[in-house]
Amino acid sequence: ILNVEQSPQSLHVQEGDSTNFTCSFPSSNFYALHWYRWETAKSPEALFVMTLNGDEKKKGRISATLNTKEGYSYLYIKGSQPEDSATYLCAFAGGGGNKLTFGTGTQLKVEL
Amino acid sequence: NAGVMQNPRHLVRRRGQEARLRCSPMKGHSHVYWYRQLPEEGLKFMVYLQKENIIDESGMPKERFSAEFPKEGPSILRIQQVVRGDSAAYFCASSPLPAGSGANVLTFGAGSRLTVL
Repeated sequence: ILNVEQSPQSLHVQEGDSTNFTCSFPSSNFYALHWYRWETAKSPEALFVMTLNGDEKKKGRISATLNTKEGYSYLYIKGSQPEDSATYLCAFAGGGGNKLTFGTGTQLKVEL
Repeated sequence: NAGVMQNPRHLVRRRGQEARLRCSPMKGHSHVYWYRQLPEEGLKFMVYLQKENIIDESGMPKERFSAEFPKEGPSILRIQQVVRGDSAAYFCASSPLPAGSGANVLTFGAGSRLTVL
């Protein structure tokens, strides 16, 4: 059984705050690490895919880093806005790379 | 270009009945994944299919659950003799290549919410 863990489970921040979450995953047989954003009543949407140790990806105010040797990835949000409120999921592809194992997510709420 | 289409969006069944959930992947996507979200839990992998083949069904209960992705038509997740514990949201996702290869992401459908009375 693959363990993909995310912390914190939930987070409340004020508008304008910067924040970050952690995803930890097995450090062996690594293929890829995905980040998805899941708004209430919608479908998960892909943010980033990272495949190489040291990868850094950026999309607007959101960025992510990857450390495959120690098995963790960070997602950063700079200057949080209310529209950033969502659950952020990471997903690990290992072994044969056939499937993604999801973490339970970090639920972010950005308040005015 | 329509996204991943799932139907029905909501399905109510009584214990012992059958539930059939359908998923049409994005155009050009031949890889389909089914995930289940139980109340207060995350997305749990159930099965991965390519056209006419089950590639990985390691997350699917051995009994009552089956999945197919025929040459023509949508992928179907079938649950026979449903029980209350089957109540969950079932999400389908598709990709053009296996999810773990390269930069391929999953495109998710809106989910089918099954309620078993």
